[in-house]
Amino acid sequence: KAGVTQTPRYLIKTRGQQVTLSCSPISGHRSVSWYQQTPGQGLQFLFEYFSETQRNKGNFPGRFSGRQFSNSRSEMNVSTLELGDSALYLCASSWNRVQDTQYFGPGTRLTVL
Amino acid sequence: DQQVKQNSPSLSVQEGRISILNCDYTNSMFDYFLWYKKYPAEGPTFLISISSIKDKNEDGRFTVFLNKSAKHLSLHIVPSQPGDSAVYFCAASDSGYSTLTFGKGTMLLVSP
Repeated sequence: KAGVTQTPRYLIKTRGQQVTLSCSPISGHRSVSWYQQTPGQGLQFLFEYFSETQRNKGNFPGRFSGRQFSNSRSEMNVSTLELGDSALYLCASSWNRVQDTQYFGPGTRLTVL
Repeated sequence: DQQVKQNSPSLSVQEGRISILNCDYTNSMFDYFLWYKKYPAEGPTFLISISSIKDKNEDGRFTVFLNKSAKHLSLHIVPSQPGDSAVYFCAASDSGYSTLTFGKGTMLLVSP
């Protein structure tokens, strides 16, 4: 069974630009969660989608948004990038609930210059 | 307000000895706890979990202990191996369709 894939793996943007990251979950998984990992803050929850609906949202500004498609693939978008958005963005999928084992992708390393 | 705390940023252990990683939480609604391991350039991988109805769960070399009254859990790795060197994250959630709250991680280094 193929794992969670994320594209692109690395991205360099400049302040003010916007970026879209993509995540393909494990086949059959309907829940997709996004996390931001920074050295000082660890993994912080961004949002979770289930059946194309945002089911949970973390404490991030509105510049961070996401969506999920009917095939469970998910995208997250960050608009008006700031230097502090530089981080590893991780996507995780699970069958139904977040308590079900979450399988993480390798992440997208975003650098904002 | 950090609801899941891993107070030790790093831990060094010799091969063959026991590694003990600690995690404290403040939210009394948390009833499900997980440990994830992360190697550089990879996403975290699930290691072991425990429900609040238990106080211990074992899986091979890995054992998680939960002390609900102290709001504390620990991960024991026995015996430790160099391949265990990674960052370990503690995570917690409450019942239902809630989120996972992660600690900041502890970097474990197991030396030969």
